[in-house]
Amino acid sequence: DSGVTQTPKHLITATGQRVTLRCSPRSGDLSVYWYQQSLDQGLQFLIQYYNGEERAKGNILERFSAQQFPDLHSELNLSSLELGDSALYFCASSDRDSYSPLHFGNGTRLTVT
Amino acid sequence: AQTVTQSQPEMSVQEAETVTLSCTYDTSESDYYLFWYKQPPSRQMILVIRQEAYKQQNATENRFSVNFQKAAKSFSLKISDSQLGDAAMYFCAYRSRTGNQFYFGTGTSLTVIP
Repeated sequence: DSGVTQTPKHLITATGQRVTLRCSPRSGDLSVYWYQQSLDQGLQFLIQYYNGEERAKGNILERFSAQQFPDLHSELNLSSLELGDSALYFCASSDRDSYSPLHFGNGTRLTVT
Repeated sequence: AQTVTQSQPEMSVQEAETVTLSCTYDTSESDYYLFWYKQPPSRQMILVIRQEAYKQQNATENRFSVNFQKAAKSFSLKISDSQLGDAAMYFCAYRSRTGNQFYFGTGTSLTVIP
């Protein structure tokens, strides 16, 4: 158990809809990262937050947004969903120590129909 | 930005044999951290092993060990006595000492043949 909690585990929705993915980081970790993994693909970095502030942005679409709240949990909002957004979305957390690895949640599997 | 390259999209190994997965990276930094992650069919991301660049000694975790060649910017993963449960996608990752960014390779899919 990595200590990172992601909800929901599965999400099925229709094109054009909006969904919110939630992540609670490992206790004590201030950094939260979001990754997208399509079937048989690698990890695509979306965005990183540190203690409530956006730190780095990857290939995140304008239809996607995220935030980290004062209690350090994070949400990834996906809107105007398209079929191609179907993927496994990972949240990961890490502490400030550079030797610390990323601790991944189990992911949210999003299916857009 | 740093890049991480895994040149072997697929590898296979006979059960009980040894296999080495390759990873190279490009960086101008002298201090950084390297990781190997395993992603089994369940698609969980599991940390396998990590290495600090300033440590010359190669990291070892049970049947997993690395061959870290700093000058060559190479970080290969050796799996000894391969087991069926080792079948997975393996990702190499780089973390800067000063930054919070992680850079991942594209992964190597390992098949273990009974």
